[in-house]
This record gives sequence, C-alpha cells and structure tokens, in this order.
Amino acid sequence: DVKVTQSSRYLVKRTGEKVFLECVQDMDHENMFWYRQDPGLGLRLIYFSYDVKMKEKGDIPEGYSVSREKKERFSLILESASTNQTSMYLCASSLLRQDGEQFFGPGTRLTVL
Amino acid sequence: DAKTTQPPSMDCAEGRAANLPCNHSTISGNEYVYWYRQIHSQGPQYIIHGLKNNETNEMASLIITEDRKSSTLILPHATLRDTAVYYCIVRVYSGNQFYFGTGTSLTVIP
Repeated sequence: DVKVTQSSRYLVKRTGEKVFLECVQDMDHENMFWYRQDPGLGLRLIYFSYDVKMKEKGDIPEGYSVSREKKERFSLILESASTNQTSMYLCASSLLRQDGEQFFGPGTRLTVL
Repeated sequence: DAKTTQPPSMDCAEGRAANLPCNHSTISGNEYVYWYRQIHSQGPQYIIHGLKNNETNEMASLIITEDRKSSTLILPHATLRDTAVYYCIVRVYSGNQFYFGTGTSLTVIP
C-alpha cells in the first residue's frame, strides 16, 4: 500500500526556533510537495521537488526552505519560526511530473508560541 | 489554472446518492478536473479525475458537462465514512501545482 509518512502529528515550538518537518514516501516517487492548510484558505503550495537536490518555489515560499538529499525524503525547514507559521503542514508525492494523483501524508499540526 | 466554485456545505442521507457540484467556467481545453476529499485530521485523498468524458471508478463517478464549465461528483450510496471536505480542482495535466480552494463540506446523515 502506498505510504507517505510525516515525522510528527503534533509539534509545539517557540518563536525563533529552527523547525524541521520530515516527510518520507515508500513508493519511489519522483515528485514531492509541501503544503500548508489554514481555515478558509484551503491548501497552499510552499515548495516542491522533481528530483533529488531539485526544488522549486510554490505560492508561499517565504520563511521556508526545503531539502531533498534522498529520493524518498523531503524536508521542510522553518529557519526562524514565527507565530504566523502556525498551521497544518501536509506532504505529498506523485509518481510522474504530469501525474495529478498525489498521495498525501497525515499532516503535522505545528503551533508556534 | 482555472478557479473553481463549490457550495460550502451539503447534507446527504445515508444510502442515498451524494451529488457534489463544481463550477469551472474559465476552464481551458487542456485542463483536467480532479476531485479529492479530506476526512477530518487526515491528508487529502485522490478520488477521480477527467478531461471531458464521464469517468467512473470504485469510489465515485464524475460527470462533466459538454461545455466543460461544470462537473458533478457522484457518490452513489453515501455512507457515514464519506463525511469529509470534497475539493474540486482544475489543473493542466503537466502542471506543477494544485489549487485546492476551500471545498464542500459533505455531512452524511444517518
């Protein structure tokens, strides 16, 4: 069965801390994505990656960076967390660049105090 | 990518068909219609997609109007487990991004 896992379901951090959100997929997918989900705003794309060491900005990359050192792992980094980054973070992967069927992880609910 | 418009909420009786509408009047010829759903506290789940022909799979049917300006997702026999937020998305097949919008919150009532 297809699986995307995220390192934590719930995370609480303080303003200014560096935060790492990890995502791992076991499907050998080329493409991986990070979204954040906020009430009334739907899902918004932060960054995506088509290949190892490749990354592209989504709609809201400010305040975030990403790392893809291995095909199965895509990390989202908040260099200095702020309260407006409190959100649900969702990771997804897809097999082909053209593939609209994305598989999502369960999400990480991050609270920044 | 074209924008979509969905009703914010709908109810459906258990065992009946749930018909979820979506307007995408600015859709272009190479954009597909995708449907996802998100059950509370889980990540979104792919349901179905189509270009211009109607599509059916084990989860649902997708009916796209001839002018492609709107579509309907049909869950033929809704169960309580179908209670979720349903997202209609239009997207170029080779596009990078999904614009999820705020979706329709479907409540299946016993």
